[in-house]
Amino acid sequence: QVQLVESGGGVVQPEMSLRLSCAASGFAFSSYGMHWVRQAPGKGLEWVAVIWYDGSNKYYADSVKGRFTISRDNSKNTLYLQMNSLRAEDTAMYYCVRGSTTEIDYWGQGTPVTVSS
Amino acid sequence: DIVMTQTPLSSPVTLGQPASISCRSSQSLVHSDGNTYLSWLQQRPGQPPRLLIYRISNRFSGVPDRFSGSGAGTDFTLKISRVEAEDVGVYYCMQGTLFPLITFGQGTRLEIK
Repeated sequence: QVQLVESGGGVVQPEMSLRLSCAASGFAFSSYGMHWVRQAPGKGLEWVAVIWYDGSNKYYADSVKGRFTISRDNSKNTLYLQMNSLRAEDTAMYYCVRGSTTEIDYWGQGTPVTVSS
Repeated sequence: DIVMTQTPLSSPVTLGQPASISCRSSQSLVHSDGNTYLSWLQQRPGQPPRLLIYRISNRFSGVPDRFSGSGAGTDFTLKISRVEAEDVGVYYCMQGTLFPLITFGQGTRLEIK
């Protein structure tokens, strides 16, 4: 079965960096686009970034553009999100989500990120 | 950007009774390929979201048939024919037509009366 397991979350100070990872299994990882979606405490869902199945294209929400970088290693079945210059408003649960070109389906359990001084 | 507006924001329902949630988009969700990429997600308390319905009316794997989706263009509806206790949670509509700029509705909280 499809499994997505995020890791790397934690508590960091503003302007610091953090790298999230998502280990995928149960499907042909190199054949699927992948997304990061986040959810601030008590709030709704916000799409963050997407990467094509082969890493050839990447897109970001305006709120993270220039600070976050999505990447993947298909040899390791792993998705990453490098987060730099973190702000308090980046505090959220970060979900790794499998996605085709126009739809997303399976979600991971999420990894929490707290940005606080 | 497409704005997705859900109503109601909260829906108290009696067990065994039907429930309905509406989602309206600020522009048509018909993609250039002819499909409409409107999905519904369920998020139970303390759980990640899970896909219920994709392309307006297609139930995802393992989703009970008491869940159904309908609509077209800019107006869409999720219906639960008979609410069960396990259906409590927050429901989101989501558009993928403007992929990769995915947009979610603000969420509707379903609770038992």
